[in-house]
Amino acid sequence: GNSVTQMEGPVTLSEEAFLTINCTYTATGYPSLFWYVQYPGEGLQLLLKATKADDKGSNKGFEATYRKETTSFHLEKGSVQVSDSAVYFCAPNSGGSNYKLTFGKGTLLTVNP
Amino acid sequence: GAVVSQHPSWVICKSGTSVKIECRSLDFQATTMFWYRQFPKQSLMLMATSNEGSKATYEQGVEKDKFLINHASLTLSTLTVTSAHPEDSSFYICSAPPPGAFFGQGTRLTVV
Repeated sequence: GNSVTQMEGPVTLSEEAFLTINCTYTATGYPSLFWYVQYPGEGLQLLLKATKADDKGSNKGFEATYRKETTSFHLEKGSVQVSDSAVYFCAPNSGGSNYKLTFGKGTLLTVNP
Repeated sequence: GAVVSQHPSWVICKSGTSVKIECRSLDFQATTMFWYRQFPKQSLMLMATSNEGSKATYEQGVEKDKFLINHASLTLSTLTVTSAHPEDSSFYICSAPPPGAFFGQGTRLTVV
């Protein structure tokens, strides 16, 4: 089955700092890759996704590139804001018609003013 | 956008009692609902997939008789934790397809 290794948190940054949250995965077939965000007291929201190798997902200033050769999907943002404080989850799904998601443990990001 | 409403957001119950968690799709029909569980500082794990009008599909290792799932209509799926024990304390969250697209707010269950 699939597995995900996600950068352990917590991560604490100052506003406008550069963010990288590493994510590597093992999967059979050709998974799609997802990043989810969970703001305090809320449910999970899809942040971005990539469905094939070399695709770049982007949203709200966040980016992640599907690297098949390194089985990675690192999340980056050039300049974080206080409002980005949340827990971030990396999740590949199974390829084909099986959409089972495998979540990373989550990385807590705190951005200080 | 489409919204999945999950209720309650948190619940405390006594050992041996049952707790029902509801997930409603508010402006769309969900023939399928995914139920996840998350222990502190751990990943979300898929427990089961509920299907409207048919039996739920449980993941390996999940007790069907303990975690009763019902998908009675196209807008409502429920998870009932029966005879809850402290080890059932966890964060439960539902999701409607496309997989991972729409998540409920989650339910924090504490069994004392």
